[in-house]
Amino acid sequence: EAGVAQSPRYKIIEKRQSVAFWCNPISGHATLYWYQQILGQGPKLLIQFQNNGVVDDSQLPKDRFSAERLKGVDSTLKIQPAKLEDSAVYLCASSLVDNQETQYFGPGTRLLVL
Amino acid sequence: LAKTTQPISMDSYEGQEVNITCSHNNIATNDYITWYQQFPSQGPRFIIQGYKTKVTNEVASLFIPADRKSSTLSLPRVSLSDTAVYYCLVGEINTGFQKLVFGTGTRLLVSP
Repeated sequence: EAGVAQSPRYKIIEKRQSVAFWCNPISGHATLYWYQQILGQGPKLLIQFQNNGVVDDSQLPKDRFSAERLKGVDSTLKIQPAKLEDSAVYLCASSLVDNQETQYFGPGTRLLVL
Repeated sequence: LAKTTQPISMDSYEGQEVNITCSHNNIATNDYITWYQQFPSQGPRFIIQGYKTKVTNEVASLFIPADRKSSTLSLPRVSLSDTAVYYCLVGEINTGFQKLVFGTGTRLLVSP
């Protein structure tokens, strides 16, 4: 079974630029999550989708972050404009609707904002 | 969501048993205890989950006392490859919306 795929794996940008991350969840997983993990901290949930609907985006900085999952499968997370404090690893995870405590994480995208 | 407290770091040697204890004094009746493992440069990985008493799988054991205010993740005979960060999470399942809240975790270093 293929795991959660993410791209790119690494990205370096300058502040005020925009960046986008892509995630392809495990086939059949209706629930998709984006996390931000700052160095030395645990992952922090940014947004959770169930199919193509948002169920929680309470910790998403909506003035600069946006995410979509138009067809209920792949998802993209965008930052525009980026700030220095956005430097982190962005993790995508997916799970079955009826087993959300078991989440499968991708390898993450490491973002460095200069 | 119940708050969890676990040691920041632990050191061990190959072949030893490692026990990581997590405190969750405000755990609710419907809350389960879940542990994740994260290797460097990888996303977290589900290890084990339990509600009470003892749960064992091929990776670890989870001990939960009767009052459920703490839990202990036990890793038998660790190897160098068990060096990772271990997260204890507490949350309600069997609802339409499950939110995992990660703390800073316990950084386990296994030495030869």
